[in-house]
Amino acid sequence: EPEVTQTPSHQVTQMGQEVILRCVPISNHLYFYWYRQILGQKVEFLVSFYNNEISEKSEIFDDQFSVERPDGSNFTLKIRSTKLEDSAMYFCASKLRGGDEQYFGPGTRLTVT
Amino acid sequence: AQSVTQPDIHITVSEGASLELRCNYSYGATPYLFWYVQSPGQGLQLLLKYFSGDTLVQGIKGFEAEFKRSQSSFNLRKPSVHWSDAAEYFCAVGAPYNNNDMRFGAGTRLTVKP
Repeated sequence: EPEVTQTPSHQVTQMGQEVILRCVPISNHLYFYWYRQILGQKVEFLVSFYNNEISEKSEIFDDQFSVERPDGSNFTLKIRSTKLEDSAMYFCASKLRGGDEQYFGPGTRLTVT
Repeated sequence: AQSVTQPDIHITVSEGASLELRCNYSYGATPYLFWYVQSPGQGLQLLLKYFSGDTLVQGIKGFEAEFKRSQSSFNLRKPSVHWSDAAEYFCAVGAPYNNNDMRFGAGTRLTVKP
C-alpha cells in the first residue's frame, strides 16, 4: 500500500540554523500538508499546499517557515532560523484531489539545541 | 472556527475492561470526524473516520465510534481493551468536502493495567 515517507526521522540542529524537512507524498495525491506536534501537546495544523501554492496556513506558520514542491515527488518544509521552541515532531500528509482522508507520514523529530 | 475537545487527559482501564474516550466538536455543519492513535515515538495511525451515513462506524483493532449530532460528539469505544491499546488517542475534525485543515484535540492518554 502506498504511503507518505519523511526524511530524516530525527534531525538535530543548533538555534539559528536553517533546516529542511523532506516529505514524499503518495504519488497521485495533489494536496499536501504540514503539521507540528510539540512534545506532549496536540497536533497543530501548519499549512496546506495545492497547485504549487499555499492554500491555507495557520498563525503558527510565520515568515520563518516556507514550503516548496521542488520536483514532482518531494514536498519540503523549511525553517529559516530555528528557535528552541521549534523543537517538535513534524508530520507531513497528503490527500487525493476530491479525496476525504489525509494520509500521514511517520514524522520527523526536530530537536533544536 | 472548528475545534475539538477531549475532556479526559488521561484514562486508566484494566485489561479486558470496556473503554470509552470522549470527543466533542464545535463546527457550523457536520464535519468530517476522525480518531487517530499514536504509540510513543510513532506517527499517527487512523483508527476510523466518519463522513456521512450510518452514525456508528467500525474501525481497526476492534474500535468503533458513534456520531451524535445532538451532542456534537464522536466518542470512541472498545468493548475489551488489550494491553497493546495503551497509547495516545486523538480526535480530529475536518471541513466537509475538502478536509483541508484538520484540527486535532489535545489527546487522551490511555494506560492499561494488567
